[in-house]
Amino acid sequence: GQNIDQPTEMTATEGAIVQINCTYQTSGFNGLFWYQQHAGEAPTFLSYNVLDGLEEKGRFSSFLSRSKGYSYLLLKELQMKDSASYLCAVRNSGNTPLVFGKGTRLSVIA
Amino acid sequence: GAGVSQSPSNKVTEKGKDVELRCDPISGHTALYWYRQSLGQGLEFLIYFQGNSAPDKSGLPSDRFSAERTGGSVSTLTIQRTQQEDSAVYLCASSPANEKLFFGSGTQLSVL
Repeated sequence: GQNIDQPTEMTATEGAIVQINCTYQTSGFNGLFWYQQHAGEAPTFLSYNVLDGLEEKGRFSSFLSRSKGYSYLLLKELQMKDSASYLCAVRNSGNTPLVFGKGTRLSVIA
Repeated sequence: GAGVSQSPSNKVTEKGKDVELRCDPISGHTALYWYRQSLGQGLEFLIYFQGNSAPDKSGLPSDRFSAERTGGSVSTLTIQRTQQEDSAVYLCASSPANEKLFFGSGTQLSVL
């Protein structure tokens, strides 16, 4: 089976750092994606990890441990506009569809 | 076009009616995906196309749902005899082979 778990909601303060965790159990693995989705809008791509380690892109970083079935998205210097849902998704193999978690709704407060 | 285009953006229909949702992917993208998202829920996979063929239809909830893709481009998702539980946002995404998905803005379907 396939199972992707992430916290339902998180709250963090403007200017702070927040880490959103994702654990997965899938039949195969060919990459993990993070997407951002503002309310009422389409998901937009944030990051992609296929090898273990940290990928850094500006204020956002994503980490992957394949042996642990674990990833996190790290957001630094939080801004109010970062309030959104963050979706973790796994590709099992080849060009197969991404399997999404239910998303983590992040609220950034002043 | 510049991005994935979906139409209509909103659709209100009566229970029992048929609806057609359209997706126009990014030019040159070989893979096309349909997902749906209910309020407060994650993205639920429906069907996936590689070119005009659908290798994976496993997510279609019932035989009232069908989809086709023609010319390796536009796709239509059809829901027959709509039910209230079909109300959701239907999202289409496209991608080049084995790469990230680009999503459209979705069709908000409301079945009364």
